[in-house]
Amino acid sequence: NAGVTQTPKFQVLKTGQSMTLQCAQDMNHEYMSWYRQDPGMGLRLIHYSVGAGITDQGEVPNGYNVSRSTTEDFPLRLLSAAPSQTSVYFCASSSRVNEQFFGPGTRLTVL
Amino acid sequence: TQLLEQSPQFLSIQEGENLTVYCNSSSVFSSLQWYRQEPGEGPVLLVTVVTGGEVKKLKRLTFQFGDARKDSSLHITAAQPGDTGLYLCAGRYGQNFVFGPGTRLSVLP
Repeated sequence: NAGVTQTPKFQVLKTGQSMTLQCAQDMNHEYMSWYRQDPGMGLRLIHYSVGAGITDQGEVPNGYNVSRSTTEDFPLRLLSAAPSQTSVYFCASSSRVNEQFFGPGTRLTVL
Repeated sequence: TQLLEQSPQFLSIQEGENLTVYCNSSSVFSSLQWYRQEPGEGPVLLVTVVTGGEVKKLKRLTFQFGDARKDSSLHITAAQPGDTGLYLCAGRYGQNFVFGPGTRLSVLP
């Protein structure tokens, strides 16, 4: 099992560009989530999904969209990148909320 | 808004020393988790505590959940360089978690 995979590992964008961060898991987990990690602030929840076709907002959803068409995939879309979105993004999945498995992260820089 | 505070923010110790890091909140959580994160990687779950007053041991690591389920501590005995990393606590509310800012531990050989 690959667990949780994320691509790309690094990305540089210009302000106003859009892009999609990919996340996939092969553990048949129902619950998936996206976090951003900034220095001194821990991980903050952006969006989450409790199953295919179901998504909801977390603590910091503005500027991001998600969809969950399959159990395996949970992409995160940046609609119009801003410097404030420079961060490290982590995807996580869980069969039960008490057992989150994290991907290796995507380091995004917005110029 | 649930908030978690962690202390100390940074800790640098010599191999063999003992240490305790803390996770505190004014909110009650149904459970609390501790993760360790190494540079360039995602957090890895160490333990989940559920019951107030619960103590769990994982080799040289001892985790305690406060009686009121608002705080937790992580004690490491005889720290080793392999314990170096960012230690994060996360409290569960509903079906999601809120994370603390972390304690960055450095264990020098």
